[in-house]
Amino acid sequence: NAGVMQNPRHLVRRRGQEARLRCSPMKGHSHVYWYRQLPEEGLKFMVYLQKENIIDESGMPKERFSAEFPKEGPSILRIQQVVRGDSAAYFCASSPFGGLNYGYTFGSGTRLTVV
Amino acid sequence: QQQVKQSPQSLIVQKGGISIINCAYENTAFDYFPWYQQFPGKGPALLIAIRPDVSEKKEGRFTISFNKSAKQFSLHIMDSQPGDSATYFCATNTGTASKLTFGTGTRLQVTL
Repeated sequence: NAGVMQNPRHLVRRRGQEARLRCSPMKGHSHVYWYRQLPEEGLKFMVYLQKENIIDESGMPKERFSAEFPKEGPSILRIQQVVRGDSAAYFCASSPFGGLNYGYTFGSGTRLTVV
Repeated sequence: QQQVKQSPQSLIVQKGGISIINCAYENTAFDYFPWYQQFPGKGPALLIAIRPDVSEKKEGRFTISFNKSAKQFSLHIMDSQPGDSATYFCATNTGTASKLTFGTGTRLQVTL
């Protein structure tokens, strides 16, 4: 049973380009969470999605960032017109149900570098 | 607003010693307190978690101590090993069912 799969592992974008990060949850998990980790900091919640629904996007920047979790396929975190401050590690986690009783399983992350 | 304060920022412990990492939280409504372990280049992995109805939980060499009145919880790693060298994060569910707020992390180094 593969864990949470994130790709790419490393992504380099020039300022102004778009970054697209993918997350495939564990088999049987229908709840996906995205977190961002800046260097030397803890993880910061961005968004919580179920299939075809955004449940909580309170941590998403108001502009340039969007997320989706379609009925088929991986969850996508999209960052438009990237800036240097977007450079960070982006982690996706999944769980079989909502709530924290079942814990999260995190992927290995996508490390975004904006040059 | 920092809702979870973690200390120390870094910690060096000799092999066989006890590693202790502390976290303080602000709101008594929080009711889930996990600790995550993260190795370089990897995602965080759940190590152990506690609910506020108990004061201590032990799993192998890892123990969470929970003090509800002081709004503090700590991770104790007994008989620390070089393989425990990693960054440890405390977290809590700050008022919502599914969202975690993390501490800033403690980088643990266990020396031979």
